[in-house]
Amino acid sequence: DPKIIQKPKYLVAVTGSEKILICEQYLGHNAMYWYRQSAKKPLEFMFSYSYQKLMDNQTASSRFQPQSSKKNHLDLQITALKPDDSATYFCASSQDWGSGAEQFFGPGTRLTVL
Amino acid sequence: QQKVQQSPESLTVSEGAMASLNCTFSDGTSNNFRWYRQHSAKGLEVLVSIFSDGEKEEGRFTAHLNRANLHVSLHIREPQPSDSAVYLCAVRNAGAKLTFGGGTRLTVRP
Repeated sequence: DPKIIQKPKYLVAVTGSEKILICEQYLGHNAMYWYRQSAKKPLEFMFSYSYQKLMDNQTASSRFQPQSSKKNHLDLQITALKPDDSATYFCASSQDWGSGAEQFFGPGTRLTVL
Repeated sequence: QQKVQQSPESLTVSEGAMASLNCTFSDGTSNNFRWYRQHSAKGLEVLVSIFSDGEKEEGRFTAHLNRANLHVSLHIREPQPSDSAVYLCAVRNAGAKLTFGGGTRLTVRP
């Protein structure tokens, strides 16, 4: 059974719209992350959370807002979508935030903005 | 800011021949390095993590770290066609942020 679930697997949106990417982990981890992989760019860190609190934000745009309703959930809301937001978004989790614990990645949500 | 570069961009080897992948980084104070594998349209699978200079083996995968030379490598022993994938080097910085290289696309020919 998959331990990190991301929904949906594929998402198509129009410019200017808003979407929410879902992430749930069933590993009992306390830290969760979002990364983005755009075409021809390295995988890029976006946010990290520990016990539902924001620890690090490397995303310049406020259009990207993580939302954590439960410890094992970290959704990503993206508003005013642009074609440049097209990418695969990966959620990850680790046992703890600062201990060097292994980060495990979900299968990703591929977002295409037209 | 940590920068991570991988080489080569693509590599083709024959089944059973050793595959060697390279990764250089800019900040030698990091002490947490990982190699991941990414099959097409799938998530990342961690292969080996290394935290001190020297060698770390996980099955057919061996990582070598030399922080003085700002270099970490991955060697795959007896690669199989199912090992064909993109291999990503990642360096953990302050906090829990991973900085990734651009990847090496490995193709293993039967």
